[in-house]
Amino acid sequence: EVQLLESGGGLVQPGGSLSLACGASGFTLNTYAMIWVRQAPGKGLEWVSAIGAGAVSTFYADSVKGRFTISRDISQNTLYLQMNNLRAEDTAVYYCARVGDRGGWYWGYWGQGTLVTVSS
Amino acid sequence: EIVLTQSPGTLSLSPGEGATLSCRASQSISRNYLAWYQQKPGQAPRLLIYGVSSRATGIPDRFSGSGSGTDFTLTISRLEPEDFAVYYCQQYDSSPQTFGQGTKLEI
Repeated sequence: EVQLLESGGGLVQPGGSLSLACGASGFTLNTYAMIWVRQAPGKGLEWVSAIGAGAVSTFYADSVKGRFTISRDISQNTLYLQMNNLRAEDTAVYYCARVGDRGGWYWGYWGQGTLVTVSS
Repeated sequence: EIVLTQSPGTLSLSPGEGATLSCRASQSISRNYLAWYQQKPGQAPRLLIYGVSSRATGIPDRFSGSGSGTDFTLTISRLEPEDFAVYYCQQYDSSPQTFGQGTKLEI
């Protein structure tokens, strides 16, 4: 069974850093594309960053480019999102998700999310 | 990037009724790479439909997707109480993949 479990959220001051983790089980992380999606309070879904199978390619939303870094640790089967220079507008629940079992980057499996609050 | 516009913003219906949710793309989605998700309060999104019309595993057949080009529809026949939620469309035909702003289906 595919399972994703995010961790690392919390309260951080503006300009601070935070690292989110997404532990994967039931599949080998490196063989699937993965994404981080966030949802600000009361708002819709916003994709943040994605990584292709084999970590060959990475993608970032303009709103986080240059501040966030997506990566994965194959030995730990864990996806990461390093977030630097955080802003109030980065406050959101952050979800990791795995690509579905058919073609294309739709998101078939989701974690439960971790809340990041950026505030002084 | 492809902008997805969902309508209506809020849809008020009763259990047993049918629902029609719309997702319009700013450019043609040529490979039928469009998905729909359901999200209930305090929960992660759940995949309903991928490839415009293929139901994800475990999704009841009262959910169906259709459309092509720039206009897509999620239809829910015979609403059940558990169907009242927010629904998002997502295109993955063109990079970057994008989500619509959501339609809230309320009782």
